[in-house]
Amino acid sequence: GQQVMQIPQYQHVQEGEDFTTYCNSSTTLSNIQWYKQRPGGHPVFLIQLVKSGEVKKQKRLTFQFGEAKKNSSLHITATQTTDVGTYFCAAPSGGSNYKLTFGKGTLLTVNP
Amino acid sequence: EAGVAQSPRYKIIEKRQSVAFWCNPISGHATLYWYQQILGQGPKLLIQFQNNGVVDDSQLPKDRFSAERLKGVDSTLKIQPAKLEDSAVYLCASSLLLQGSYEQYFGPGTRLTVT
Repeated sequence: GQQVMQIPQYQHVQEGEDFTTYCNSSTTLSNIQWYKQRPGGHPVFLIQLVKSGEVKKQKRLTFQFGEAKKNSSLHITATQTTDVGTYFCAAPSGGSNYKLTFGKGTLLTVNP
Repeated sequence: EAGVAQSPRYKIIEKRQSVAFWCNPISGHATLYWYQQILGQGPKLLIQFQNNGVVDDSQLPKDRFSAERLKGVDSTLKIQPAKLEDSAVYLCASSLLLQGSYEQYFGPGTRLTVT
């Protein structure tokens, strides 16, 4: 079945440093979503990317969808302690845009 | 608008016992999902409903797990009998059935510990 690989599994940064997590698929994706889960919390939708090469920004967060629609990245500029959490990419699977397969996530910790 | 509601928030049971979780999705959301999230992993889909019909239950261990969504609104997920490896957070999510918009809204989850 559909698999999405995320790297790195963990990332520890000093506050103010940048952070990037990558998501890769073996198949072409119709879209990709990103979610954030704070420690002890539940996943919260961040963004959906649909177009090849698409770049979207949300304040300090930049999301990119690869030209071949097989990979995606999330970059955070100048991390803050509020950025702590696990970032998941999620891709459609089973031929349905409504059924998602989640990556294992990247746990970001920020040292103040 | 109110978010996805789940109860209970925590449950501790012994192996071989049964347990049930309840979910109330966001009003108007036709699609409802149950996920299992084991510590350190991403959510894994167990079952997907569209209104009151099952769309996908290919990853639901049907010998012990069951779920229903009567009247197309609330849903319950049951485990009977529970095993140690069922210890996880059970997340309910819902989404609109809207072409081009596939984001899912998650509830707070139920943390199940099987001893």
